[in-house]
Amino acid sequence: DQQVKQNSPSLSVQEGRISILNCDYTNSMFDYFLWYKKYPAEGPTFLISISSIKDKNEDGRFTVFLNKSAKHLSLHIVPSQPGDSAVYFCAASAGDSNYQLIWGAGTKLIIKP
Amino acid sequence: NAGVMQNPRHLVRRRGQEARLRCSPMKGHSHVYWYRQLPEEGLKFMVYLQKENIIDESGMPKERFSAEFPKEGPSILRIQQVVRGDSAAYFCASSRTSGAVSDTQYFGPGTRLTVL
Repeated sequence: DQQVKQNSPSLSVQEGRISILNCDYTNSMFDYFLWYKKYPAEGPTFLISISSIKDKNEDGRFTVFLNKSAKHLSLHIVPSQPGDSAVYFCAASAGDSNYQLIWGAGTKLIIKP
Repeated sequence: NAGVMQNPRHLVRRRGQEARLRCSPMKGHSHVYWYRQLPEEGLKFMVYLQKENIIDESGMPKERFSAEFPKEGPSILRIQQVVRGDSAAYFCASSRTSGAVSDTQYFGPGTRLTVL
């Protein structure tokens, strides 16, 4: 039962353009969402998060949008840079067990020069 | 300021042997989490520990798996009598305070376990 879904296994974007990574969830109890970035042979690195009381959070080139009615969130990276090439994971948590992150399967982002 | 350290980075075991994975949290962090990642999947929560206490082990298989975080030394994830299905990447994360998700979890580089 996949509660967090990232339906695009990979995404290719031209350098300088916008990268949009999508994530859908099924559990309406989720109240906190995170994006992590992972390079090969390394652990995930926290990027940005959003609470369910917000619909947008911005940090430099990274913006996360949350649409609660659609149970959908997206990560926008603009402008995309070669160093952004990595696997991006969406994760969510709920309520009292909020340390238990439920992860999507990841989207591999490739930035083309 | 060293990050989360895990060793070994790669571990090969034959079926039936024991695997012991170590995790040293970031300095000042007293909360440790273990996750497992199977190929082509996201990470799956296994266990949450504080010093000398297991807080939540609901994601850990009831048999063959155990975890500890002693007063001194690293956290250990132990897998007894390994089977091929245990082959995965095991990640450890740590956080500073009470385990609230807003307290960022910082991840180690992982241990890749291969069971022959």
